[in-house]
Amino acid sequence: NAGVMQNPRHLVRRRGQEARLRCSPMKGHSHVYWYRQLPEEGLKFMVYLQKENIIDESGMPKERFSAEFPKEGPSILRIQQVVRGDSAAYFCASSPPTGGNEQYFGPGTRLTVT
Amino acid sequence: KNEVEQSPQNLTAQEGEFITINCSYSVGISALHWLQQHPGGGIVSLFMLSSGKKKHGRLIATINIQEKHSSLHITASHPRDSAVYICAAPGRGGADGLTFGKGTHLIIQP
Repeated sequence: NAGVMQNPRHLVRRRGQEARLRCSPMKGHSHVYWYRQLPEEGLKFMVYLQKENIIDESGMPKERFSAEFPKEGPSILRIQQVVRGDSAAYFCASSPPTGGNEQYFGPGTRLTVT
Repeated sequence: KNEVEQSPQNLTAQEGEFITINCSYSVGISALHWLQQHPGGGIVSLFMLSSGKKKHGRLIATINIQEKHSSLHITASHPRDSAVYICAAPGRGGADGLTFGKGTHLIIQP
């Protein structure tokens, strides 16, 4: 049973470009969480999604950031017009539909904006 | 919103020492998580516990729900235990995004 997969593992973008980060949850998991870890800072919650629904996006920046978890395929975190301050490690985690909040983390995507 | 506090922030110990990391949170929760982040950056979930104590190898996690406090212990510490240890609680006490402590940077010297 493969774990949570994230790709790419490393992503370099120039200022103004778009970044797309993908997260494939564990098999059978229908809940996905995205977290961000800025350099020298702790992890922060961004968004919580279930299939085709955004449940909680209270941690998402108001502009340029969006997330989706379609019926088929991975969850996508999209950052438009990236700025240097978006450079961070982005982790996703998944949990099973039974709830209980047990979360399994992916290896993360390290975004560098030049 | 749950506030999660961890201590100590940094801890350096000698190989073989017994290690304790503490975590307190402000809002009643269904379960508390302990995570490990190695220098390479990957995150491993060590424990999720809602009551009592759990043990995995040399790692022990305890939680006191009434006092909103949890501890992570490492027995017979080893240099390979060097990592950042993070506790996390559900943000609003239920099944939603986690709120994280700032982490404890642990260094075990040979």
